[in-house]
Amino acid sequence: DAGVTQSPTHLIKTRGQQVTLRCSPKSGHDTVSWYQQALGQGPQFIFQYYEEEERQRGNFPDRFSGHQFPNYSSELNVNALLLGDSALYLCASSLLWGQGSTDTQYFGPGTRLTVL
Amino acid sequence: DQQVKQNSPSLSVQEGRISILNCDYTNSMFDYFLWYKKYPAEGPTFLISISSIKDKNEDGRFTVFLNKSAKHLSLHIVPSQPGDSAVYFCAASALGNQFYFGTGTSLTVIP
Repeated sequence: DAGVTQSPTHLIKTRGQQVTLRCSPKSGHDTVSWYQQALGQGPQFIFQYYEEEERQRGNFPDRFSGHQFPNYSSELNVNALLLGDSALYLCASSLLWGQGSTDTQYFGPGTRLTVL
Repeated sequence: DQQVKQNSPSLSVQEGRISILNCDYTNSMFDYFLWYKKYPAEGPTFLISISSIKDKNEDGRFTVFLNKSAKHLSLHIVPSQPGDSAVYFCAASALGNQFYFGTGTSLTVIP
């Protein structure tokens, strides 16, 4: 049973460019959440997708957008990249939070984004 | 606004002894708490969770304690093993909403 997978592993972009990161959830999971982890910090919640809609959003500007496909996989898009967007981007899959599930998330290995 | 805090960036423990990792939170609405372990170049791995209706949850060598009045939780690892060396994150959520993570504690278990 494949766990959460993410692509690419590493990415280097320049300021002002746009980037798309991809995530495939663990089998049986229908909810995907994205996190940004800066160096020395804990993961920060960006947003969550369920039934192809954004269900919750953290404190991130609308340069960060996403999409969920019918097969539950998801993309994270970041426009107009800033140097401060350099971080590890983590995808986590689960069942929808607060619906009687254990609310446990399973994380992928992450995509390391460097903005020059 | 850091709602979940791990005030010890690092901890070193001798193999076989107890490791105690601490976490404090500010939001009294948090009702679900988790601990994750993270190795370099990997995503966080779920370790153990606790709901606010309990004050203790145990899974093998790992026990999480929750003190709601103090807004404090701790993770006990007994006995500690070298393979436990990793960064540990605590996380909390309220009513099925987003999870807030602490900044992590790097545990080193010395053989």
